Amino acid sequence: LAKTTQPISMDSYEGQEVNITCSHNNIATNDYITWYQQFPSQGPRFIIQGYKTKVTNEVASLFIPADRKSSTLSLPRVSLSDTAVYYCLVVNTDKLIFGTGTRLQVFP
Amino acid sequence: GAVVSQHPSWVICKSGTSVKIECRSLDFQATTMFWYRQFPKQSLMLMATSNEGSKATYEQGVEKDKFLINHASLTLSTLTVTSAHPEDSSFYICSAPKAGNSGANVLTFGAGSRLTVL
Repeated sequence: LAKTTQPISMDSYEGQEVNITCSHNNIATNDYITWYQQFPSQGPRFIIQGYKTKVTNEVASLFIPADRKSSTLSLPRVSLSDTAVYYCLVVNTDKLIFGTGTRLQVFP
Repeated sequence: GAVVSQHPSWVICKSGTSVKIECRSLDFQATTMFWYRQFPKQSLMLMATSNEGSKATYEQGVEKDKFLINHASLTLSTLTVTSAHPEDSSFYICSAPKAGNSGANVLTFGAGSRLTVL
């Protein structure tokens, strides 16, 4: 399973765009990149998934360069409620191994 | 959308007793479910893969006799923490895969069960 590396923590202010980058140098051809969000004492929640280039949904955008060795989760205009831990995972099977995640703190 | 229900959301028990946690996929069938454990300020640790109609597959270091998993139907998996001790106190989370829009499966997680062993 491809190992992921992401910043331990990030700070931002309300209304700003936040970009969280994840490195996955050993990503395999069949791997997809998936991001989850977790609030304290809750199960993780799916945010977005992609294979290459750019994916956008109502919550976020996911940018994946051509070599797929990294990916960037972009959260537009964050609010206080976006304070959470964000996990980047790469997987081609069902079993997901979580890395350390990035703890995002949004300030007013 | 896919919904996974977990029960109980929290439980307190005495040392030496057993506790059962249920995980249900409400609007889809799950032949496979995953159980995770999470300690405070730490990431999720995969404990085992629950397989409908067959034995669960445990990750290295997880005692199968300690954490009994039963997956008797396509919508229900249970985790029983046997002879619980204070060090078993943790946040237990289940999940089930479902096909996503991109082509790969996406895991839907339950809300988690917080176990406190006194």
